Amino acid sequence: EAGVVQSPRYKIIEKKQPVAFWCNPISGHNTLYWYRQNLGQGPELLIRYENEEAVDDSQLPKDRFSAERLKGVDSTLKIQPAELGDSAVYLCASRGDRGLYEQYFGPGTRLTVT
Amino acid sequence: KQEVTQIPAALSVPEGENLVLNCSFTDSAIYNLQWFRQDPGKGLTSLLLIQSSQREQTSGRLNASLDKSSGRSTLYIAASQPGDSATYLCAVRGGSEKLVFGKGTKLTVNP
Repeated sequence: EAGVVQSPRYKIIEKKQPVAFWCNPISGHNTLYWYRQNLGQGPELLIRYENEEAVDDSQLPKDRFSAERLKGVDSTLKIQPAELGDSAVYLCASRGDRGLYEQYFGPGTRLTVT
Repeated sequence: KQEVTQIPAALSVPEGENLVLNCSFTDSAIYNLQWFRQDPGKGLTSLLLIQSSQREQTSGRLNASLDKSSGRSTLYIAASQPGDSATYLCAVRGGSEKLVFGKGTKLTVNP
């Protein structure tokens, strides 16, 4: 079974530029999460999707961040414009609808804003 | 607001030693607790998940315990190996389904 796939793995951009991250969850997983992990910290939830619906986006800075999951499968997280403080690792996770509700994480995208 | 604390922040041990990582949380109304491993530059790998009704879970050399009433969990690693070197993260899931993470314990196992 393939795991959660994310791309790109690394991204370096100048401040004020836009950037987008892509995530493909584990097949059959209807719930998808985006987390941000700052250096030396644990991940923090940005947004949670149930199929194509964003059911928890309370932590998403909506002035510059947006996300979509149009067909309820893969998802894109966008930042426009990026700020220096956005430098972090952006992690995508998914979980199935049965069992332990365990979350499975992708390798993350490391963003550096210069 | 749920807060998760992990102690110690860093730990260095010689190979073969048994060790304990600690996790505490402020709100005991949780659904489950997960322990993750994170290698440098990598994502998170789930190690163990303990349901709120359980007291412990075991996988190989790893044993995780949960005392929900006191807001504590421990991860016990037996006979540590250099390959165990990584950052270990504890996360609790509450009613909102959001995972709240600690800052992690960075473990170094020296040959």
